[in-house]
Amino acid sequence: SAVISQKPSRDICQRGTSLTIQCQVDSQVTMMFWYRQQPGQSLTLIATANQGSEATYESGFVIDKFPISRPNLTFSTLTVSNMSPEDSSIYLCSVRGGTGSSYEQYFGPGTRLTVT
Amino acid sequence: AQSVTQLGSHVSVSEGALVLLRCNYSSSVPPYLFWYVQYPNQGLQLLLKYTTGATLVKGINGFEAEFKKSETSFHLTKPSAHMSDAAEYFCAVSEYGNKLVFGAGTILRVKS
Repeated sequence: SAVISQKPSRDICQRGTSLTIQCQVDSQVTMMFWYRQQPGQSLTLIATANQGSEATYESGFVIDKFPISRPNLTFSTLTVSNMSPEDSSIYLCSVRGGTGSSYEQYFGPGTRLTVT
Repeated sequence: AQSVTQLGSHVSVSEGALVLLRCNYSSSVPPYLFWYVQYPNQGLQLLLKYTTGATLVKGINGFEAEFKKSETSFHLTKPSAHMSDAAEYFCAVSEYGNKLVFGAGTILRVKS
């Protein structure tokens, strides 16, 4: 399985500002995913990030609010822009690992964001 | 579109008792199914998965799940609960191995 790290692990930000979250993987992966977990709720996919192409966003998420970079096969960033208290969540990156028939996803430890 | 329903947002069992967490899914194609566990203030850990082949799958920490196509279910079980099993459990479905769609989660409480 892949080992995934995220920075920062947590942050408290003021509304109107932006935060960039980094995700680093210890091996090269094609597909990376960004999820949001709002307080007391389940995980929702924000976007899929493949190296060398534009990220694909899920319904309800837009690039202007959540720009994503994927400069290489081991790294990605998610920016939460113009934050409001409603953006307070845990943001997790994940990668698809295993062989071609496994398709499991491994998750980073998450970034706990509080917007005041 | 895919969806997952987890019956029971909270389940409480006594230590040593059977653990049964229910998951039903909807998918237009043969699904890939997963159970994840999340301990407080931690990320998600994969417990087990079903992709193809044997419908009874075994995972870590003594958990297992059975894929029942006719019932569109993928319930998670463990014969004997341990205090360390207290956590939140998420069932997830994937079509073609791409994005995961998660259920709402079930918080498992283990009583001594």
